Amino acid sequence: DQQVKQNSPSLSVQEGRISILNCDYTNSMFDYFLWYKKYPAEGPTFLISISSIKDKNEDGRFTVFLNKSAKHLSLHIVPSQPGDSAVYFCAASASYGGSQGNLIFGKGTKLSVKP
Amino acid sequence: GAGVSQSPSNKVTEKGKDVELRCDPISGHTALYWYRQSLGQGLEFLIYFQGNSAPDKSGLPSDRFSAERTGGSVSTLTIQRTQQEDSAVYLCASSKPRNEQFFGPGTRLTVL
Repeated sequence: DQQVKQNSPSLSVQEGRISILNCDYTNSMFDYFLWYKKYPAEGPTFLISISSIKDKNEDGRFTVFLNKSAKHLSLHIVPSQPGDSAVYFCAASASYGGSQGNLIFGKGTKLSVKP
Repeated sequence: GAGVSQSPSNKVTEKGKDVELRCDPISGHTALYWYRQSLGQGLEFLIYFQGNSAPDKSGLPSDRFSAERTGGSVSTLTIQRTQQEDSAVYLCASSKPRNEQFFGPGTRLTVL
């Protein structure tokens, strides 16, 4: 039973346009959410996070939106660049900060940004 | 380097053999995690260490899997009597309290 779902296995976007990656969760105890980016043959790299007390967090070209009532979060990348092409994982935790417990990951969305 | 390191990077073994995977966390990170990613799947949590103790072992798929951590640093994940379904990339991560996890490059395990 997947607690974190990324329903789009892949997404293709033109360079310069917006990329929107979506994530849904089922566990209402989750209060900390993260996005990781993964290149082939490398470990996941932390990208951006948001706690449940916020509904938006922005870092440069990356913005994460959280809709608690819908149990939905999304990652926006604007403008998209070819170097953003990677697999993006959504993750959630039931306590603030990953070190309080394990992260539950989605299956990932492969983003391809075409020049 | 200052990142999480894992060894070996690749391991090919025969069914029934035991394997040991090693993780060197970032210095000063008290929390250490093991995950695995099977083909086409997301990251699956295996075990979490806080210091040398493992308060959460809920993700270990069977009693063939065990892990230890010594000196609050290096961790070893051991898989006994490997099976083909154990083939996956095994990822280790570490973190400071209340911070994001930093991942190593992983060990790709192939069980023939």
